[in-house]
Amino acid sequence: AQRVTQPEKLLSVFKGAPVELKCNYSYSGSPELFWYVQYSRQRLQLLLRHISRESIKGFTADLNKGETSFHLKKPFAQEEDSAMYYCALRSDSWGKLQFGAGTQVVVTP
Amino acid sequence: SAVISQKPSRDICQRGTSLTIQCQVDSQVTMMFWYRQQPGQSLTLIATANQGSEATYESGFVIDKFPISRPNLTFSTLTVSNMSPEDSSIYLCSVEAATGDTGELFFGEGSRLTVL
Repeated sequence: AQRVTQPEKLLSVFKGAPVELKCNYSYSGSPELFWYVQYSRQRLQLLLRHISRESIKGFTADLNKGETSFHLKKPFAQEEDSAMYYCALRSDSWGKLQFGAGTQVVVTP
Repeated sequence: SAVISQKPSRDICQRGTSLTIQCQVDSQVTMMFWYRQQPGQSLTLIATANQGSEATYESGFVIDKFPISRPNLTFSTLTVSNMSPEDSSIYLCSVEAATGDTGELFFGEGSRLTVL
């Protein structure tokens, strides 16, 4: 069965410090991995996907198939990064995502 | 991209009653998805709503409890039937739409239901 694990419920970091959100998955095929973000009082939105290999708002994530991980990283956290972050896996079905439990990030000045 | 509007945004309901949530999309989409987010939990897919056919439900969800309509390519409803306090959740409508040369899942703002 496919599963997405985010071990940290809460990450509290200081502004300017690096932040890393962990995501591990279990899936037998070739998954498509995403990071979604939900800022306070806003809707859930896509932050980035592994196939794009791009940096969004300073965040990057690399798919490591050997470790079945897709950790999200940012070298210098900003206060506006405070949000709920969800790692998600799309296996084969169109539009169906398996979400992790989410990590609340709090960036303090 | 896709802009999704959900109604109601929140409601307080009595045990045993039913509530219908509406989802309107600003463009035609083939499939729409209904997710549930229980308090302190992640999102769980309830069902996929296909236009012109019955919805496809995920394990643990049944049509009698969560009937879904999909009358056209821009609209869907989810009914939460015979509600109990365990149904208190945020219900989210989502669609996959094209962004550039790929697709992306877009979400509505959610409908927060509290069952007393």
